[in-house]
Amino acid sequence: GEDVEQSLFLSVREGDSSVINCTYTDSSSTYLYWYKQEPGAGLQLLTYIFSNMDMKQDQRLTVLLNKKDKHLSLRIADTQTGDSAIYFCAEEAGGTSYGKLTFGQGTILTVHP
Amino acid sequence: DTAVSQTPKYLVTQMGNDKSIKCEQNLGHDTMYWYKQDSKKFLKIMFSYNNKELIINETVPNRFSPKSPDKAHLNLHINSLELGDSAVYFCASSQAQLSTDTQYFGPGTRLTVL
Repeated sequence: GEDVEQSLFLSVREGDSSVINCTYTDSSSTYLYWYKQEPGAGLQLLTYIFSNMDMKQDQRLTVLLNKKDKHLSLRIADTQTGDSAIYFCAEEAGGTSYGKLTFGQGTILTVHP
Repeated sequence: DTAVSQTPKYLVTQMGNDKSIKCEQNLGHDTMYWYKQDSKKFLKIMFSYNNKELIINETVPNRFSPKSPDKAHLNLHINSLELGDSAVYFCASSQAQLSTDTQYFGPGTRLTVL
């Protein structure tokens, strides 16, 4: 079955880089996603990476995927206080499980001025 | 314009009651989902509908019954509410049910069962 794990907390200073890590177990994952949840709000898709890619960059966000180790990371450059939120990693299985996302428990990012 | 909307945003009710949560999307998507986020922030899929047909039905008590009157709406009805049903319920939609289709989430409905 699918399982996704993340560290629960990350605290950084404004202007530093943040790196949020995620591990997953399903080797048939097709897409891996990063979602952001601000307090009291819904989930917002930040970025995603196809499983045959190693890296994807999108402005301040860099996603690294190590498929061999089933490790995904999200790097936020020049972290701002507005980046404080919960970040969820999610994987989407292939085969007949299209559309079904399995989420990690979320990493609470706190950015200090 | 709100893409995926849910009502109500907050719902407080007594154990044993029956309640419904509504979800609407104006994106023209074919597929809609319900997720449950528990107090530890775990998010789990409950149901998925594609063009009003049930596609994914995870292990959810049959007190939970989704209803899709048309492809823009997916409502969640819960009978005989229990304390453990307290959670935030998120609706989502995607264009189809392909791996390339991004899921867009609503703001969530916080259900508290007393």
